[in-house]
Amino acid sequence: DAGVIQSPRHEVTEMGQEVTLRCKPISGHNSLFWYRQTMMRGLELLIYFNNNVPIDDSGMPEDRFSAKMPNASFSTLKIQPSEPRDSAVYFCASRPTGLGYGYTFGSGTRLTVV
Amino acid sequence: KQEVTQIPAALSVPEGENLVLNCSFTDSAIYNLQWFRQDPGKGLTSLLLIQSSQREQTSGRLNASLDKSSGRSTLYIAASQPGDSATYLCAPSDNYGQNFVFGPGTRLSVLP
Repeated sequence: DAGVIQSPRHEVTEMGQEVTLRCKPISGHNSLFWYRQTMMRGLELLIYFNNNVPIDDSGMPEDRFSAKMPNASFSTLKIQPSEPRDSAVYFCASRPTGLGYGYTFGSGTRLTVV
Repeated sequence: KQEVTQIPAALSVPEGENLVLNCSFTDSAIYNLQWFRQDPGKGLTSLLLIQSSQREQTSGRLNASLDKSSGRSTLYIAASQPGDSATYLCAPSDNYGQNFVFGPGTRLSVLP
């Protein structure tokens, strides 16, 4: 198994541009999570999906952030328009739906907004 | 709201020492707890997942214990090696085992 795959690994963009981060979960993992990591705030849950349905998006900081999961093997996190304070590492994690399972994380996308 | 603290925030030890990393959480209604390591600039690697019905979980030189009622977990690393240098994060789940809330981590340096 290739694990959780995120792309791109690094993204540098100018303020105001649209940014799209991508995630492919492990096959058979029906729960998917997007996290953001910064030095100041640590790891914060942005949104999670069960069976492609968004369950809790209370961590999404603003309307500029949106996430979709059109099918079981693909999810996107979009920021439009991006701002310098969005600079962070964004992680995707997946797990099997059900009790007793832990997370498997992707390698993350390091986003820099200049 | 679950709050997770980890003590110490940073630790530097000589190679070969046994060490203990501490994790505390405010809401004891958890289903399980996961320990991760994170190398600089990398993602999180799962080390151990301990269910609330368990007291301990072991993997090689690592041993995690969980005292759910007191809101504490410890990660014990035996015979530390320079390759163990990383940040260690604990993450208790909610009562349904759905979401995990992360602590700030303990940054460990093992000196040769």
